[in-house]
Amino acid sequence: QVQLQESGPGLVKPSQTLSLTCTVSGGSISSGSYYWSWIRQPAGKGLEWIGRIYTSGSTNYNPSLKSRVTISVDTSKNQFSLKLSSVTAADTAVYYCATEMATTYYFDYWGQGTLVTVSS
Amino acid sequence: QSALTQPASVSGSPGQSITISCTGTSSDVGGYNYVSWYQQHPGKAPKLMIYDVSNRPSGVSNRFSGSKSGNTASLTISGLQAEDEADYYCSSYTSSSTLSPYVFGTGTKVTVL
Repeated sequence: QVQLQESGPGLVKPSQTLSLTCTVSGGSISSGSYYWSWIRQPAGKGLEWIGRIYTSGSTNYNPSLKSRVTISVDTSKNQFSLKLSSVTAADTAVYYCATEMATTYYFDYWGQGTLVTVSS
Repeated sequence: QSALTQPASVSGSPGQSITISCTGTSSDVGGYNYVSWYQQHPGKAPKLMIYDVSNRPSGVSNRFSGSKSGNTASLTISGLQAEDEADYYCSSYTSSSTLSPYVFGTGTKVTVL
């Protein structure tokens, strides 16, 4: 069974870049046809899909964040990463990594989530 | 794209049945059978409960069922139990944006009285 674990700084200063990594265990990130996604949730609010990367390396991003988001994959480490630039307090949220099989439209595995606070 | 609309809260007594609605448009809920539902307990990650409108993943109780009519999908919890108290989110594939295939619902807090 696939397991996902987010890691990265819990505090980021305004205008800087938020960087998170999701480590995949229980399967190879480069095998099969999977999308690897990032989703966030501000405190007390709903879920927001940030973007995803396919096994091949192709990406899709939420239009509202597209200009600031980069998702990449490191197959040698079985990890994929999120970079969100020019952050503000509005980017404070719990960030989840999740996965979905290609040709499906649901997230079957999720990481436990990591809180990122944007503050000086 | 706009979030799918869910009631902010739904409550019921143990043993009762409750239904949570999820209203979208013909570009998402109404146009595709790709509605999923997630349960989220406080401080925990969402858990997939229903996919493709009405399918349950292995291990999910058959007390949870999903359906769809027009632009509105529904999640029904029958035989409500204390452990069902959580937030529930729907999600759907959407064709309203070529860049972003997903839209989530606003979320519903389920309270077991």
